[in-house]
This record gives sequence, C-alpha cells and structure tokens, in this order.
Amino acid sequence: DADVTQTPRNRITKTGKRIMLECSQTKGHDRMYWYRQDPGLGLRLIYYSFDVKDINKGEISDGYSVSRQAQAKFSLSLESAIPNQTALYFCATSDLHSGVGYTFGSGTRLTVV
Amino acid sequence: KQEVTQIPAALSVPEGENLVLNCSFTDSAIYNLQWFRQDPGKGLTSLLLIQSSQREQTSGRLNASLDKSSGRSTLYIAASQPGDSATYLCAVSRGGSYIPTFGRGTSLIVHP
Repeated sequence: DADVTQTPRNRITKTGKRIMLECSQTKGHDRMYWYRQDPGLGLRLIYYSFDVKDINKGEISDGYSVSRQAQAKFSLSLESAIPNQTALYFCATSDLHSGVGYTFGSGTRLTVV
Repeated sequence: KQEVTQIPAALSVPEGENLVLNCSFTDSAIYNLQWFRQDPGKGLTSLLLIQSSQREQTSGRLNASLDKSSGRSTLYIAASQPGDSATYLCAVSRGGSYIPTFGRGTSLIVHP
C-alpha cells in the first residue's frame, strides 16, 4: 500500500458541483499539504496543516476549503467547482524531524466541465 | 519571498551522457533542499534530500550538491539512460515555516 493515498484518481465534475478530494497517509507525519499543478505554473500550495488543530491557507486558497479529520486524513473540498480549477491535485506529507523530506501521493486529476 | 528557478526548462540528450540540472534560489536561509522526479501525469518521487548543513548527497548515479552562499543546487546524473526521462523538480524549504517552494522543473528526454 502507498504511504500517501489519494482518492479519487480521476474525476470529471460539472461546474457548480461540490467535490471532495481525500488524502490519507500511513507515514505518521504531522504535516500535510494540498498542492495543485498546472502546465507551465508548477506546483502551487493551496492549504497546509501542521497538526489536527492547525489549518493554514497557502498561496491559492480561494475557492477551496480543507478538513483535517485526523492526523492521517486531510481532505480538500471545492465548494462550487469552476473550469479553471481543472488541474492535477497532490497531497503531500512531511515530518520536520524525521529528515526524510516530503512524500507525495499519486495525484487526483480533476476536470471541471 | 523565496523564488526557485530551474535551468534549463527542457533538455534532450543521447543515452550515456552525463547531465547537470540546475536549481537556484533567492533566499539562502534554507532548511533543506529536495530533488524530485515526476513522470508524466504521475506523482512526485523523492530522489535526494540535502539538509542545510550538508554539501551533497548521493544515490546511485545521482549526486546533488548544495551551495547556500551562492543560492544554488545541482543534480548530476551520470551515464544517462532512457528510463531517466522525466521532469525533475527541486523544492527549497526555508527556516521558520519549513514550507517548500518548488521550481517549475526541468523536462529531460534521454533518447537511445
């Protein structure tokens, strides 16, 4: 099993729909992140969480919300999806003191039509 | 604000060549620097992590160096193979928040 699991892997949704992307990890890391990747723009941080009670906005949080349900689970929601939210979404984890850096999930390819 | 630049943006080489990929950053107060590999449409796979106190890390045919004073890291790939074809990204984490800033990557094609 993967250390960081994202579901779904692919999703097509209609404009205006609410959608949730889920991330779970078995690494025991405290820190979790959501990124989106667009061609030519690289990876941009949406939200991050340093522990269950800590949620922080990244550089592009508008239109998104998150929930840290447990240390191992971090969900990203699009309250009302719009076409420019079509992108590849990644969840990542890290542990400041483990020295192993960041671990990424396999990504969710989201298409908003 | 930390800015991370990767040069070149794309590279195409014949198999067997030794390669150098570059990553530069504007703020030298970093915590660590990490190199990743990404295959098309896939997730990021960690290759090497260099802590701020280290100068280089090696794994197989890969060697990454870090020079904080000049704001640069290089990823050296020895004897390149077609299987090395991918996009290579560097990520720099700064002290304080430890949030990484990513470069846009170097797209590498190694042709037989």
